[in-house]
Amino acid sequence: EDKVVQSPLSLVVHEGDTVTLNCSYEVTNFRSLLWYKQEKKAPTFLFMLTSSGIEKKSGRLSSILDKKELSSILNITATQTGDSAIYLCAVESLYNFNKFYFGSGTKLNVKP
Amino acid sequence: NAGVTQTPKFQVLKTGQSMTLQCAQDMNHNSMYWYRQDPGMGLRLIYYSASEGTTDKGEVPNGYNVSRLNKREFSLRLESAAPSQTSVYFCASSDGRGDEQYFGPGTRLTVT
Repeated sequence: EDKVVQSPLSLVVHEGDTVTLNCSYEVTNFRSLLWYKQEKKAPTFLFMLTSSGIEKKSGRLSSILDKKELSSILNITATQTGDSAIYLCAVESLYNFNKFYFGSGTKLNVKP
Repeated sequence: NAGVTQTPKFQVLKTGQSMTLQCAQDMNHNSMYWYRQDPGMGLRLIYYSASEGTTDKGEVPNGYNVSRLNKREFSLRLESAAPSQTSVYFCASSDGRGDEQYFGPGTRLTVT
């Protein structure tokens, strides 16, 4: 059965810190891994990583896919209070195209 | 563009009652999804529809039914609500080519 595990479950840091969130997966015939940010309501898309695009960056956020280790990390540098959210990782397999399995999320709290 | 809309935003049901959650998208997306989110559990896929006229079970389909009414609309029905179905329900859509999903604002359902 396909499985996605995120760590840590929660994290408290201070503004200006750098954080690394982890996502590991067991998916038959991996196709893509997506990161989402969820504040108070619906998740919003951050990055999509595939075999042909293993590193993405947007401002202070960056993500890398390690296909050998079956994992991905999401880095946030110079954190701000607005980064406080739940960060979700989702994985898609070729066998279940367009069907995504989500991890339980990492709850990040950035204190002033 | 409204994106993905869901109704209602909140609902309280008694055990055994039935109800239908409505979802519509105006992005001409092929694929639509229903998820539930419980504390500490991330998002779990209930049902999805890869294209108009097709529906498939996700991880937790028991107690639910769905209808893909047309390309825009995808409804989720609880025939006989149970307290275990207390959750936040999210509808999402994507273009069906393994791209990011766009989420609606969610429905908070409480079953007493």
